[in-house]
Amino acid sequence: GQQVMQIPQYQHVQEGEDFTTYCNSSTTLSNIQWYKQRPGGHPVFLIQLVKSGEVKKQKRLTFQFGEAKKNSSLHITATQTTDVGTYFCAADRGSTLGRLYFGRGTQLTVWP
Amino acid sequence: EAGVAQSPRYKIIEKRQSVAFWCNPISGHATLYWYQQILGQGPKLLIQFQNNGVVDDSQLPKDRFSAERLKGVDSTLKIQPAKLEDSAVYLCASSLKTGAGNTIYFGEGSWLTVV
Repeated sequence: GQQVMQIPQYQHVQEGEDFTTYCNSSTTLSNIQWYKQRPGGHPVFLIQLVKSGEVKKQKRLTFQFGEAKKNSSLHITATQTTDVGTYFCAADRGSTLGRLYFGRGTQLTVWP
Repeated sequence: EAGVAQSPRYKIIEKRQSVAFWCNPISGHATLYWYQQILGQGPKLLIQFQNNGVVDDSQLPKDRFSAERLKGVDSTLKIQPAKLEDSAVYLCASSLKTGAGNTIYFGEGSWLTVV
């Protein structure tokens, strides 16, 4: 079954607009990771969030982990065409194996 | 540093045929994963190895899928016989160790089409 809900499934924006994708879990998470997959490519690790309420930034990307450690978001400011791809969250529920449960991803399209 | 290597990149087979995928992880990475990614979905873990031992194969359809990592380095995933619903990208990945907070490095994937 679906362990992690991610919305929206698709997002189309014009270059320069902002973009946000949300990830929700019904259970408290140990940590959450974000990956980006370009069209035809493979998932590439972006960042990991561990602490409750944590906020991390990578240039135009801002990642947040909820206070209850059940949800997370990725926000991109002023999108560029290079941001095109599918963004996945991957939830770690704290098992000893560190197993990750991937969301369905949000596919971002950026119009020039 | 070389990444995770996979072959073949693309494979088309008829249903009921068999197929095998090969993976060589990043040097020194003890943990190796095989994920299945169906179009429009996120990767789903099939099997996880720690060195040459299986630590999680709970989502592997064992009636048709098998995987091995005999010497604790490279790995092979086999499907026999294939079904139409097996059409997907098979992603091999590796990480330095097993446990919470590990970063997973994916290979380019092996694209399988079953017709």
